[in-house]
Amino acid sequence: DAGVIQSPRHEVTEMGQEVTLRCKPISGHNSLFWYRQTMMRGLELLIYFNNNVPIDDSGMPEDRFSAKMPNASFSTLKIQPSEPRDSAVYFCASSLAHSITDTQYFGPGTRLTVL
Amino acid sequence: AQSVTQLGSHVSVSEGALVLLRCNYSSSVPPYLFWYVQYPNQGLQLLLKYTTGATLVKGINGFEAEFKKSETSFHLTKPSAHMSDAAEYFCAVSDQRGGGNKLTFGTGTQLKVEL
Repeated sequence: DAGVIQSPRHEVTEMGQEVTLRCKPISGHNSLFWYRQTMMRGLELLIYFNNNVPIDDSGMPEDRFSAKMPNASFSTLKIQPSEPRDSAVYFCASSLAHSITDTQYFGPGTRLTVL
Repeated sequence: AQSVTQLGSHVSVSEGALVLLRCNYSSSVPPYLFWYVQYPNQGLQLLLKYTTGATLVKGINGFEAEFKKSETSFHLTKPSAHMSDAAEYFCAVSDQRGGGNKLTFGTGTQLKVEL
């Protein structure tokens, strides 16, 4: 079975440009998570969805960040406008359900560089 | 709020030696604890988790961890290190608020295995 799929794997853009990161969760999984990983701050949860509905977006750094999940098989994380401090690896993860014991499965990540 | 602290951002062991990666947690409720491993340029992969029941948890690749409530610890061990174990290891605690499976990660420990 395919795991969590993220695209693109690498993105280089210039400051001020719009960036869209994409994620396809594992088929049948109902929860989806977006994380950001940096050397300075480690791994941070940005937002998570359950049944396509955002449950907790308290980790979204500011209004420049937005996330959507229009259906069960697709989610986007958008940064507009992008800034150099947004450079990081962004991970998407999914889990079967919303239960506290459900394992999160991570995608390979998107490495974003904002020049 | 729950949190985890990983002592030692870098650990180096010889091949065949014991691996011990330390994790202490802070939680106002019974914690659910996890260890994830991240190989270079990959997403995180679950090694093992503690939810309830037996406090000694066995995971993949010969790793195990013991939940010690009195010490608020969940240290990861492996009797004999292999070169393939070189990776970054993350301890995480599940935030039970709202009944979901939101994870808070530690800052990670980079394991180096030397010949």
